[in-house]
Amino acid sequence: GAVVSQHPSRVICKSGTSVKIECRSLDFQATTMFWYRQFPKKSLMLMATSNEGSKATYEQGVEKDKFLINHASLTLSTLTVTSAHPEDSSFYICSAIGRGNFENTEAFFGQGTRLTVV
Amino acid sequence: DAKTTQPPSMDCAEGRAANLPCNHSTISGNEYVYWYRQIHSQGPQYIIHGLKNNETNEMASLIITEDRKSSTLILPHATLRDTAVYYCIVRPNFGNEKLTFGTGTRLTIIP
Repeated sequence: GAVVSQHPSRVICKSGTSVKIECRSLDFQATTMFWYRQFPKKSLMLMATSNEGSKATYEQGVEKDKFLINHASLTLSTLTVTSAHPEDSSFYICSAIGRGNFENTEAFFGQGTRLTVV
Repeated sequence: DAKTTQPPSMDCAEGRAANLPCNHSTISGNEYVYWYRQIHSQGPQYIIHGLKNNETNEMASLIITEDRKSSTLILPHATLRDTAVYYCIVRPNFGNEKLTFGTGTRLTIIP
């Protein structure tokens, strides 16, 4: 399957600071990327959908000013958690769909980023 | 909201076939059935998907009932590394539709 790389895999930050998470599609062009968050022993919750070159679409209840998403190229999307607080501590996962050598309907996932805000 | 129902947990003996059921009684004609799994602290991994015919790949087989209201994922010879949470998802197979995850089935392979 296609490869989606997420960086960093783990990050610890102080309360009030911002953290950027990168999601890259390594062997295909990702026309759409999704960002999820997952709390312990819970399922994945979709936060937002981003299409290359346009503004992200956020799910209900997700603060767009707090979770900034940029999808400036067909291989990179970033999620920035601004003014992080301990309740933002979670497992963040990106997913990508795109053109390339694979059907453009399968979504491939990054390995996730565990954010801890102290 | 997720449109699928799965048992919360299952056990299977190592080396045996693991059969994971999924109910999707409200599935639409243009929706496919997708299966993903998530091993602890990793991102979900694509397994297989299908519309109405049974599908098989190197990882698993997918059996979809004729009325498409339910399906079964079969791991033919389960290993300890197959211990994971398995998600059954219905989704249109066109465009860039999002994947909505339900609660999944936590499959534990017993040595």
